[in-house]
Amino acid sequence: GNSVTQMEGPVTLSEEAFLTINCTYTATGYPSLFWYVQYPGEGLQLLLKATKADDKGSNKGFEATYRKETTSFHLEKGSVQVSDSAVYFCALSGKGCAGGTSYGKLTFGQGTILTVHP
Amino acid sequence: NAGVTQTPKFRVLKTGQSMTLLCAQDMNHEYMYWYRQDPGMGLRLIHYSVGEGTTAKGEVPDGYNVSRLKKQNFLLGLESAAPSQTSVYFCASSSNSYSNQPQHFGDGTRLSIL
Repeated sequence: GNSVTQMEGPVTLSEEAFLTINCTYTATGYPSLFWYVQYPGEGLQLLLKATKADDKGSNKGFEATYRKETTSFHLEKGSVQVSDSAVYFCALSGKGCAGGTSYGKLTFGQGTILTVHP
Repeated sequence: NAGVTQTPKFRVLKTGQSMTLLCAQDMNHEYMYWYRQDPGMGLRLIHYSVGEGTTAKGEVPDGYNVSRLKKQNFLLGLESAAPSQTSVYFCASSSNSYSNQPQHFGDGTRLSIL
């Protein structure tokens, strides 16, 4: 079955530091890959996505590249801000059994807590 | 611009009690999902629906029932609550089943079972 593995957290950084959160996946075929962000007390929001190999998703200074050869989708940001403090989830939406639809179901990683200090 | 609305936001139950969580979306989405979020485990799919009148089991369906009588609403029921069901519950919706479509999430319901 499908699975997503994220780097262990929590991650604590100073403002303006470089951020990398690793994400690797296992899936059949060609899944779509997502990063969601959850701010305190809120639901998940889509941060970025990539739907095929070598696609780069980007939003709000965050980037992630779909690497099929390494089955990875690492999240990066060049200079984090205090307002980026949140929980980040990597997720995939793949094919169902025998290549059929998965009805859009998402498989999530365990989440990585990011805290940015001034 | 409501999007996905969940009620209630918080609830405390005693073991054996029953309750229903309501999810409402105003985006005319066909697909709706219920997840639970537990520390260190990400979100896990409980049940989902691909349209009005349909429901299907997800990864962790035991102890839960769902109904989708109207397209905009997706109800999650606990018939006899257990402490293992203490969690944060999220509802989500999406416009279609294509794997590249993102899901839109509500703000969650924090449920404690004593």
